Amino acid sequence: AQTVTQSQPEMSVQEAETVTLSCTYDTSESNYYLFWYKQPPSRQMILVIRQEAYKQQNATENRFSVNFQKAAKSFSLKISDSQLGDTAMYFCAFMKHGGGGADGLTFGKGTHLIIQP
Amino acid sequence: DGGITQSPKYLFRKEGQNVTLSCEQNLNHDAMYWYRQDPGQGLRLIYYSQIVNDFQKGDIAEGYSVSREKKESFPLTVTSAQKNPTAFYLCASSIGTSGINEQFFGPGTRLTVL
Repeated sequence: AQTVTQSQPEMSVQEAETVTLSCTYDTSESNYYLFWYKQPPSRQMILVIRQEAYKQQNATENRFSVNFQKAAKSFSLKISDSQLGDTAMYFCAFMKHGGGGADGLTFGKGTHLIIQP
Repeated sequence: DGGITQSPKYLFRKEGQNVTLSCEQNLNHDAMYWYRQDPGQGLRLIYYSQIVNDFQKGDIAEGYSVSREKKESFPLTVTSAQKNPTAFYLCASSIGTSGINEQFFGPGTRLTVL
């Protein structure tokens, strides 16, 4: 079974600053996917970024980028030029390659990110 | 508009009653999922379905049941056997169950047991 750990329950930064959210995971799988999901106050889950473990290049989506360290089993999310709309819960999630089964998506407990004006 | 709908948004249940949460998608996705979210917790998988008339238990299936009679619909029944059903329930769907396929989430149903 996989586990995902987010060690920062809450973080607060000023608007326009850069912030990094931490995530570590534990798995015996060699091929898998990692995700960051955003859950704003509306509680709608939104995919922010996805990383395929077999790709060495870190994924980037506009202001969002990841630092994927496979050997260290670390998957941090960097948000550049943070905006008020980035305020949300952020969840790190894992899925093994092939998906399905009782594994599905395994989530961490989340980090509440607050962007201050 | 393509998407996932869940109803109702808020649901109240008396102890000992069964209740069914609705999930419908018009994305033509084969796979559908039910997750439970508790305060301060991430999402946990209850059940998933890869195709019509087939479904599998997730990590916390006890006290829940599902059906998948139509591709578009994946209702979740919370039975009286579920000891602590008060939670936020999220339905999701994807083209397939591989991690390469993004899971799209519905807006959720908040269930409260009185």
